[in-house]
Amino acid sequence: KAGVTQTPRYLIKTRGQQVTLSCSPISGHRSVSWYQQTPGQGLQFLFEYFSETQRNKGNFPGRFSGRQFSNSRSEMNVSTLELGDSALYLCASSLDIWSKNIQYFGAGTRLSVL
Amino acid sequence: GNSVTQMEGPVTLSEEAFLTINCTYTATGYPSLFWYVQYPGEGLQLLLKATKADDKGSNKGFEATYRKETTSFHLEKGSVQVSDSAVYFCALSDRDTGNQFYFGTGTSLTVIP
Repeated sequence: KAGVTQTPRYLIKTRGQQVTLSCSPISGHRSVSWYQQTPGQGLQFLFEYFSETQRNKGNFPGRFSGRQFSNSRSEMNVSTLELGDSALYLCASSLDIWSKNIQYFGAGTRLSVL
Repeated sequence: GNSVTQMEGPVTLSEEAFLTINCTYTATGYPSLFWYVQYPGEGLQLLLKATKADDKGSNKGFEATYRKETTSFHLEKGSVQVSDSAVYFCALSDRDTGNQFYFGTGTSLTVIP
């Protein structure tokens, strides 16, 4: 069974641009969560999607948005990039929201904003 | 609310030393507890888990026991290796809050030969 796939692995953007990151969960998993990881702040929760609906949202500005498609694949978008958005963005998938699940992580997308 | 607190790093140990990384939690319900490990340049991998009080999770020589009375889930290994150098994250998920995961800040471990 394939794991969580995130694309691209690396991205370089400049301030003011926007970026879209993609996450394909493990087959059969319907819940996808996104995290931002930086050396100073650790792992910070961005949002979680289940059945194409955002269920939970972390404390990030509206420039950060996401969506989930009917096949459970998810994308997150960051608009008007700032230098501080440079980070490793991690996606995690889990089976559902009812049973005692494990989150499985992708390798991440490393975003550098210049 | 739910939260996880783990010991500050970085931790540096010599090979074959004993490892303990402390983790305590606050939860409104009956959480499941996890340790994840992140090797350089990679995402997080599940190391071990425990789903109820007094459960012991174990994997690759690492162990952690779910202690409800002290709200703790400390990670231990009797003899660390250089290959254990990584960042370790304690986490909980609580079914009462829809299984959202809460992570600690991570503890960096470096094992020197």
